Amino acid sequence: DAGVIQSPRHEVTEMGQEVTLRCKPISGHDYLFWYRQTMMRGLELLIYFNNNVPIDDSGMPEDRFSAKMPNASFSTLKIQPSEPRDSAVYFCASSLVSDLWSYTFGSGTRLTVV
Amino acid sequence: AQSVAQPEDQVNVAEGNPLTVKCTYSVSGNPYLFWYVQYPNRGLQFLLKYITGDNLVKGSYGFEAEFNKSQTSFHLKKPSALVSDSALYFCAVRDIQAGTALIFGKGTTLSVSS
Repeated sequence: DAGVIQSPRHEVTEMGQEVTLRCKPISGHDYLFWYRQTMMRGLELLIYFNNNVPIDDSGMPEDRFSAKMPNASFSTLKIQPSEPRDSAVYFCASSLVSDLWSYTFGSGTRLTVV
Repeated sequence: AQSVAQPEDQVNVAEGNPLTVKCTYSVSGNPYLFWYVQYPNRGLQFLLKYITGDNLVKGSYGFEAEFNKSQTSFHLKKPSALVSDSALYFCAVRDIQAGTALIFGKGTTLSVSS
């Protein structure tokens, strides 16, 4: 398996633009997590899904952020409109219900909003 | 609410010396505890976990961690540091009663000098 795949690896966008981050979890994994990493706040949980259903989105910063998981092999995190304070590294991770303590992380998307 | 604290932003140690990276946690119930490592421009990688049983758990690359319930700590240790151990280390907790997602500390940068 190729692991958790995130795209793009880097994204530079102008303030006000829409940004879409993508994630392909490991095949067969039934949990998917979105985290955001910044120097100031460390690694923050944004939202997670179980069997494509959002379970907890309390970490989503505001209404500008939305996440979907239309099927078991794909998830998106969208920011509209983007702001400079959204600049961070966004990680996607997946796990099996039988092995919830071992997440597999993607390599992340480094987002810069100018 | 569950939380994790890593009191040191950076730990410096000479190669061959023992290392300790500190972690304390707060949960309302029984904790599951984890350590992950992040190398530059990479996603997090699982190192070890405490679920139940022996308070000293062994993980990848010669690392181990000691669970101390009375001190609510889960410090990461290695008897002899290598330069290649230099990375960002994250402690994480999952409250068994509270939910599924891991809550991470802010991370500690370990720098091993030759």
